[in-house]
Amino acid sequence: GAGVSQSPSNKVTEKGKDVELRCDPISGHTALYWYRQSLGQGLEFLIYFQGNSAPDKSGLPSDRFSAERTGGSVSTLTIQRTQQEDSAVYLCASSLEGRQGHEQYFGPGTRLTVT
Amino acid sequence: AQKVTQAQTEISVVEKEDVTLDCVYETRDTTYYLFWYKQPPSGELVFLIRRNSFDEQNEISGRYSWNFQKSTSSFNFTITASQVVDSAVYFCALERDSNYQLIWGAGTKLIIKP
Repeated sequence: GAGVSQSPSNKVTEKGKDVELRCDPISGHTALYWYRQSLGQGLEFLIYFQGNSAPDKSGLPSDRFSAERTGGSVSTLTIQRTQQEDSAVYLCASSLEGRQGHEQYFGPGTRLTVT
Repeated sequence: AQKVTQAQTEISVVEKEDVTLDCVYETRDTTYYLFWYKQPPSGELVFLIRRNSFDEQNEISGRYSWNFQKSTSSFNFTITASQVVDSAVYFCALERDSNYQLIWGAGTKLIIKP
């Protein structure tokens, strides 16, 4: 079946502009995660959605970052007033449900470059 | 604090050699899961294995094997008879009990030379 898809695959934006990154999880997966992979920081957790529960935003680096998940499926990560340090690959993952030990399936990522 | 350490930044071996990737973790959780993921040059993270903290049996899957030792907080990964296609960055990760987020090691870049 279809895996996790993300769009766009690449995004170049000017400093100060807003960007939206999209994630389509695997159908039927109720848990959705956003991670960021950057050269200096490795992989870091950003936000977690489980079904219709309030998201866990504990990993968001600043209030310029926000995410929503509509209808328990598609998710959008928004970065406002982008900064050069936001340049990274943004990875989305989904799992069958938010339970311990469930493997997370990752999308191909969106490479964001802020100039 | 919860932390994963992969001390080997890069390993380079010749094809058919065996290679072990080290992973050491720290956690205060009683129950936890450990994972290994592979990230080939294409960039997509691929799940390899998970291990429950209560299960210390070693696991073998083809040329891959994993050694989980709670006493040393290690979860090492061995590739036997390595192949060029094994070239990738390998990540070890610890799952947090609270929100199931993964805490990642820095990754080990494995280069298999023909």
